[in-house]
Amino acid sequence: QARLVESGGGLVKPGGSLRLSCAASEFTFSDYYMTWMRRAPGKGLEWLSYISVSGSSIYYADSVKGRFTISRDNTRNSLYLQMNNLTPEDTAVYYCAREGLPRQSYWYFDLWGRGAQVTVSS
Amino acid sequence: QSVLTQPPSASGTPGQRVTISCSGSSSNIGSNNVHWYQQLSGTAPKLLIYRNNQRPSGVPDRFSGAKSGTSASLAISGLRSEDEADYYCASWDDSLRGLVFGGGTRLTVL
Repeated sequence: QARLVESGGGLVKPGGSLRLSCAASEFTFSDYYMTWMRRAPGKGLEWLSYISVSGSSIYYADSVKGRFTISRDNTRNSLYLQMNNLTPEDTAVYYCAREGLPRQSYWYFDLWGRGAQVTVSS
Repeated sequence: QSVLTQPPSASGTPGQRVTISCSGSSSNIGSNNVHWYQQLSGTAPKLLIYRNNQRPSGVPDRFSGAKSGTSASLAISGLRSEDEADYYCASWDDSLRGLVFGGGTRLTVL
């Protein structure tokens, strides 16, 4: 059964960095556009970043542009999110998710990981 | 302040029909598809409706979506206790060049 598992979350001080990973299994990872989302405490879902199958096309939300970097390694079936200059407002559960159809970009996501908690606090 | 506007809460009794609205603009809902997600407490979001009115396999036909102009709606008929969750609408925004969400609607089954 297709699965996504996030890792790399944790507690970090303001101004610090963290790298999240998302391991994909039981589907052809290299065929799918992928995305990162988050949900902060008491708030709703927020889209963060999106990457094409080859990694050549990337989008970022304004709230993370210049601080976060999305990447993927199709040989390792893995998606990454490098997060720099973190602030308390970045405290959230971070989810990776898969585009709904292979090699298509419709911006809906049918497979989600369980999430990784990121806490930014001194 | 979310780009798409949803009511913060909705409620109904078992068996009732409930509708959740999602209002946007010409740059998002007015010219792009709307998708809906359900998030049960403590779990990952789940795709409920895609491309305005399509249900993924496994989603009961009690859930339906519609879009008209710059607004969309999610209807849940035959309400059940397990439908108690947060519901989000989402759409691509041509101006912001990204995915935008509604603020979410917390559904309570009384």
